[in-house]
Amino acid sequence: QKEVEQNSGPLSVPEGAIASLNCTYSDRGSQSFFWYRQYSGKSPELIMFIYSNGDKEDGRFTAQLNKASQYVSLLIRDSQPSDSATYLCAATTGGFKTIFGAGTRLFVKA
Amino acid sequence: DGGITQSPKYLFRKEGQNVTLSCEQNLNHDAMYWYRQDPGQGLRLIYYSQIVNDFQKGDIAEGYSVSREKKESFPLTVTSAQKNPTAFYLCASSSKPGGYNQPQHFGDGTRLSIL
Repeated sequence: QKEVEQNSGPLSVPEGAIASLNCTYSDRGSQSFFWYRQYSGKSPELIMFIYSNGDKEDGRFTAQLNKASQYVSLLIRDSQPSDSATYLCAATTGGFKTIFGAGTRLFVKA
Repeated sequence: DGGITQSPKYLFRKEGQNVTLSCEQNLNHDAMYWYRQDPGQGLRLIYYSQIVNDFQKGDIAEGYSVSREKKESFPLTVTSAQKNPTAFYLCASSSKPGGYNQPQHFGDGTRLSIL
């Protein structure tokens, strides 16, 4: 069974701090990795995607991929209360099927 | 604007009844997906389709059926065989240019409850 594992949280950080969200995946053949943000009662929205080892930055968000360790992370700098949501990690292997983690709940305290 | 439209937003099912959830996309995406999300849980794949007239079962296909007669449309039927249908249902689509999977785009979801 191919899996994507996340700590369910909640992860609580003060406003302005860096939030670090982590994810591991079991299928070594996974090629594409995604981070989605989901507010309560809403559908997921894409935050970042990464295909290659290393870091990828977009504004306040940085995705990090380490294929040797089968590890993906998302850093949120200068965290804001509006960043409070559930963050879903996802991995895709070759074909169209994507495996989602159960998500990490993030709370940013004002 | 391009996007994915799911309808209805809320749906109630009576015991023994089949209900159909609609999903339409105008993004010209090849692949479409149906997920189920229970409270506090992640997304579980019900069915997915890579091309018209073809679809594959996901992890929790029992009690559900789909069709893909048009590229734009991927309706999901929740049959009476699905004994615990109360959940949030999400439709998504994606393309696959350049050999790497592209992100999935999600509709706003349908919330299904039992009467």
